[in-house]
Amino acid sequence: QKEVEQNSGPLSVPEGAIASLNCTYSDRVSQSFFWYRQYSGKSPELIMSIYSNGDKEDGRFTAQLNKASQYVSLLIRDSQPSDSATYLCAVNPGTSYDKVIFGPGTSLSVIP
Amino acid sequence: GAVVSQHPSWVICKSGTSVKIECRSLDFQATTMFWYRQFPKQSLMLMATSNEGSKATYEQGVEKDKFLINHASLTLSTLTVTSAHPEDSSFYICSAIGFGLAGATDTQYFGPGTRLTVL
Repeated sequence: QKEVEQNSGPLSVPEGAIASLNCTYSDRVSQSFFWYRQYSGKSPELIMSIYSNGDKEDGRFTAQLNKASQYVSLLIRDSQPSDSATYLCAVNPGTSYDKVIFGPGTSLSVIP
Repeated sequence: GAVVSQHPSWVICKSGTSVKIECRSLDFQATTMFWYRQFPKQSLMLMATSNEGSKATYEQGVEKDKFLINHASLTLSTLTVTSAHPEDSSFYICSAIGFGLAGATDTQYFGPGTRLTVL
């Protein structure tokens, strides 16, 4: 069974620190990877997608992908209290271009 | 770009009644729409996948006769919860992928969700 795993947290970091969120996946042929942010009571919103090994930066967010290790991470620099949310990792396993598998999410709390 | 709307945003109904939730892609054509359910403090649970003009594909354990899905156009999918009961109370979220957007076509964009409460 294809799986996406994340530490459930909660992960607490002080304001201004770097928050590191990790995700592992089981299907080696996965091609597409996504990070979503979900505030309590709201629906997920896309932060970024990554398709190639290496780093992809967008503002304070950096996604890192290592297909050999089947690992994808999200770094949030200069964490703000407004970053406090659940972060969902999603992986397209490659068997169907349109369907992704979501991880359980990691709860992040940024302490002022 | 990539705006998905849902209507209504919340609904309260009596047990035994049916409720219809609409999901629309506003600025792109959605080849595929997904319906999720999320209980408090739990993960997203995929209920079904719908492609325009085709029957929906339901995940294991989801009753297709209870959760009717129609994807009649490239911008609209509906979920009807039939004979709703209190245990159906949940947060229902749709997402869509499609064309007419910059970038890859496998990125899901979520609607704001519909909170259903069945009394």
